Amino acid sequence: DQQVKQNSPSLSVQEGRISILNCDYTNSMFDYFLWYKKYPAEGPTFLISISSIKDKNEDGRFTVFLNKSAKHLSLHIVPSQPGDSAVYFCAASALGAGNNRKLIWGLGTSLAVNP
Amino acid sequence: GAVVSQHPSRVICKSGTSVKIECRSLDFQATTMFWYRQFPKQSLMLMATSNEGSKATYEQGVEKDKFLINHASLTLSTLTVTSAHPEDSSFYICSARVAGTSYEQYFGPGTRLTVT
Repeated sequence: DQQVKQNSPSLSVQEGRISILNCDYTNSMFDYFLWYKKYPAEGPTFLISISSIKDKNEDGRFTVFLNKSAKHLSLHIVPSQPGDSAVYFCAASALGAGNNRKLIWGLGTSLAVNP
Repeated sequence: GAVVSQHPSRVICKSGTSVKIECRSLDFQATTMFWYRQFPKQSLMLMATSNEGSKATYEQGVEKDKFLINHASLTLSTLTVTSAHPEDSSFYICSARVAGTSYEQYFGPGTRLTVT
């Protein structure tokens, strides 16, 4: 059962335009959400996060929006650059076994920014 | 800041042998480290959560006797794949959480394990 869903496996955007990556979740107990960027054969890199008590967080070209009632969040990248081409993972934070906090991951969206 | 290293980056071993992968937090203390594996075109699968000085907590379906985890210090965790088989071939990634924080994890560059 996929608790964090990224329904678009891939997205192609023109350089300079906005990239919008979407993420849906099912567990209302998630209280913190994160976006990571990953290049092939490398570990993910933390991008931006948002607490469930907020609806927007902005950091430079990256903005994350959270709609709790819809259990939906999105990552906006504007303007998109060719170097943004990577796989983007949405993750949600939850308490797991042994009272440890762990991240529940989506399957990722592969973003291609075309020059 | 928040740099995590992994060693080795790639390893090829014969079936039946054991392989140890190291994960180090270079510029911060990590009370909690995580071990993931990733299959091609799939998401990250959490294998276990490792707390410094205590036994690791394994996710359902992960064999604790096969994947031995040791978190002996605040900057080092190791994953040993024992009696490796070709189906253990995968990309193994560790992450670390900065002591005193709850959410962000910082990832190592990953280790590509190939079992022949």
